[in-house]
Amino acid sequence: NAGVTQTPKFRILKIGQSMTLQCTQDMNHNYMYWYRQDPGMGLKLIYYSVGAGITDKGEVPNGYNVSRSTTEDFPLRLELAAPSQTSVYFCASSYGSPVGEQFFGPGTRLTVL
Amino acid sequence: TQLLEQSPQFLSIQEGENLTVYCNSSSVFSSLQWYRQEPGEGPVLLVTVVTGGEVKKLKRLTFQFGDARKDSSLHITAAQPGDTGLYLCLSNFGNEKLTFGTGTRLTIIP
Repeated sequence: NAGVTQTPKFRILKIGQSMTLQCTQDMNHNYMYWYRQDPGMGLKLIYYSVGAGITDKGEVPNGYNVSRSTTEDFPLRLELAAPSQTSVYFCASSYGSPVGEQFFGPGTRLTVL
Repeated sequence: TQLLEQSPQFLSIQEGENLTVYCNSSSVFSSLQWYRQEPGEGPVLLVTVVTGGEVKKLKRLTFQFGDARKDSSLHITAAQPGDTGLYLCLSNFGNEKLTFGTGTRLTIIP
């Protein structure tokens, strides 16, 4: 199993550009999450999904959108990139309830200039 | 918004010393997890605690869940350089929205 994979690893965007961060898991987990981590800080929840076709906002959803058309994939969309979205983005998945172990991807480092 | 405060924010100690880090909230935890994150990687689960007063041990690491389920501690005995990392607590307060703590960045000096 590859676990949770994220692409790209690094990306530089100009203000106003858009992009999609990809996340795929092959563990058949129903829960998936997107977090952002600013330098030296903890992680903040952007969006989460409890299963295919179901998504919900986390703590910091503004400026982002998600979709969950399959169990495996949970892409994160930035429509109009802003410097405040410069961060490291982590995707995670877990099986069963939210208290299940979360498995994290390696992260995407995004810089908006 | 429920907050998880971790203390200290930074800790730098000599190899072989003992240390304790804390995770506190004004709200009751439904459950609490501790993760460790190394530079350039995602967090990795260390332990999950669900019962007030629960104590779990993982080799040199001892995790305690407060009786009132509003606080938790992580104690490391005889710290080693491999313990260096960012320690994060994570909770759901009875719903599906998960909240990470502010983190403790631990450095063990050889």
